[in-house]
Amino acid sequence: EVQLVESGGDLVQPGGSLRLSCAASGFSIRDHYMDWVRQAPGKGLEWVGRTRNRANTYSTEYAASVKGRFNVSRDDSRNSLYLQMNSLQFEDTAVYYCAREWQPYFYGMDVWGLGTTVTVSS
Amino acid sequence: QSILTQTPSASGTPGQRVTISCSGSSSNIESHYVYWYRQLPGTAPELLMYKNDQRPSGVPDRFSGSKSGTSASLAISGLRSEDEADYYCATWDDSLSGRVFGGGTKVTVL
Repeated sequence: EVQLVESGGDLVQPGGSLRLSCAASGFSIRDHYMDWVRQAPGKGLEWVGRTRNRANTYSTEYAASVKGRFNVSRDDSRNSLYLQMNSLQFEDTAVYYCAREWQPYFYGMDVWGLGTTVTVSS
Repeated sequence: QSILTQTPSASGTPGQRVTISCSGSSSNIESHYVYWYRQLPGTAPELLMYKNDQRPSGVPDRFSGSKSGTSASLAISGLRSEDEADYYCATWDDSLSGRVFGGGTKVTVL
C-alpha cells in the first residue's frame, strides 16, 4: 500500500526549532517531487515548500511565509522527507502534511499523509 | 488572504448540481494547470482533479473541472451526502514562485 506517515509534531515555544519527518512506504520517493502543506486550526490549506527529485538537482522552493526559516530535505536511501523548522512563530501552529507529486497527474499531489500537529505556544 | 479566491460556501439538495469557482490572475490560473482537492471532515486532502479537467483514477465522473482565462471551476452533479467536504483549488503562481491554494469552499448537502 502506498503510504506517507508524518512524525515529529510537538509543542514548542516561540523561537524554537522542530524537525518533522515523513516516511514513505509502498513506493520510492526517488523519482518524485515531495511537498509539505500545512493547515492552521479551522483554516484552509497552505503550501509550505517542496523538494524536486534528483534529476532536477533536489532543488527546493518555499512559501514566502516560511522562506529563510524552514528547510525541506530528503533522504532517498531512507525513503524519507524532512522539514526543519526554525524560529517558530505562533502562526506556524498547524497540522503539517507531506504529499507526493505524481508526474502522470501533471504534478498533482496524489498521496498525502495523515499529518502531524505542531503547536507553537509559550 | 489567499491569492486565489473561492466562495466560502455552497450548498444543494441531493441530486442537484453545485458549481465552485476559483478566481485568480495572469500569474497563476491563466498560466498554469489548476488542481482541485477535497478534504472530508477530519481527514487529509485528496486529489480530485488535475490539469484543469482531468480526473484521477477512482474519481467518479460526477465531478468535472474547467478553466477559462483567470478562473476555474469545479462542478459536482448528482450531489450526494458524502460530497459534504471542503474543496480547494490550487495552482502555481509565477510572482510568488510557489504553489498556492484557494481559501476553500465548504459544500453542504441540505
